[in-house]
Amino acid sequence: KAGVTQTPRYLIKTRGQQVTLSCSPISGHRSVSWYQQTPGQGLQFLFEYFSETQRNKGNFPGRFSGRQFSNSRSEMNVSTLELGDSALYLCASSLDPGGDTQYFGPGTRLTVL
Amino acid sequence: KQEVTQIPAALSVPEGENLVLNCSFTDSAIYNLQWFRQDPGKGLTSLLLIQSSQREQTSGRLNASLDKSSGRSTLYIAASQPGDSATYLCALSGGSYIPTFGRGTSLIVHP
Repeated sequence: KAGVTQTPRYLIKTRGQQVTLSCSPISGHRSVSWYQQTPGQGLQFLFEYFSETQRNKGNFPGRFSGRQFSNSRSEMNVSTLELGDSALYLCASSLDPGGDTQYFGPGTRLTVL
Repeated sequence: KQEVTQIPAALSVPEGENLVLNCSFTDSAIYNLQWFRQDPGKGLTSLLLIQSSQREQTSGRLNASLDKSSGRSTLYIAASQPGDSATYLCALSGGSYIPTFGRGTSLIVHP
């Protein structure tokens, strides 16, 4: 079975721009979660989607949004990028929500200049 | 608010040693606890998942225990190998199922 895939792997943007990241979960997995990882804050939960509905949301501003499609693929969007948004963005999938084993993708490295 | 602490932050050991990584948490009302490893610049690899009702899980040379009453979990690695070098993170999911991660233990196993 193919693992979780994320595209693109690397991205460079400038302040004020917006960005969309994509995540394809493991086949059969219906839950997708997004995380931000930075040296200063570590790994922080952004949001979780299940059946095209946002199930949980972390403590991030409204500039961070996401969605899930009927095939369970998910995208996250960050608008009006700030320097502090530079991070590794990780996507994880699981069979079901609510604490099932999570399988992570390789991440998208976003650099904001 | 759940807080997760991992001690030590870094560890360097010679090959073959048995070692213990610690994870402590402040709120015992957890749903499950998961241990991961992360190689530099990569995503996380799930190692072990312990449900709230369980006390431990084992996989190969790895054994993880959970003691909710004391707010602690340990990851035991037997006969460490250079390939075990990575950062190890623990993550807890509470009733709201929002996972909280520790900052990790950076492990180096030298030949």
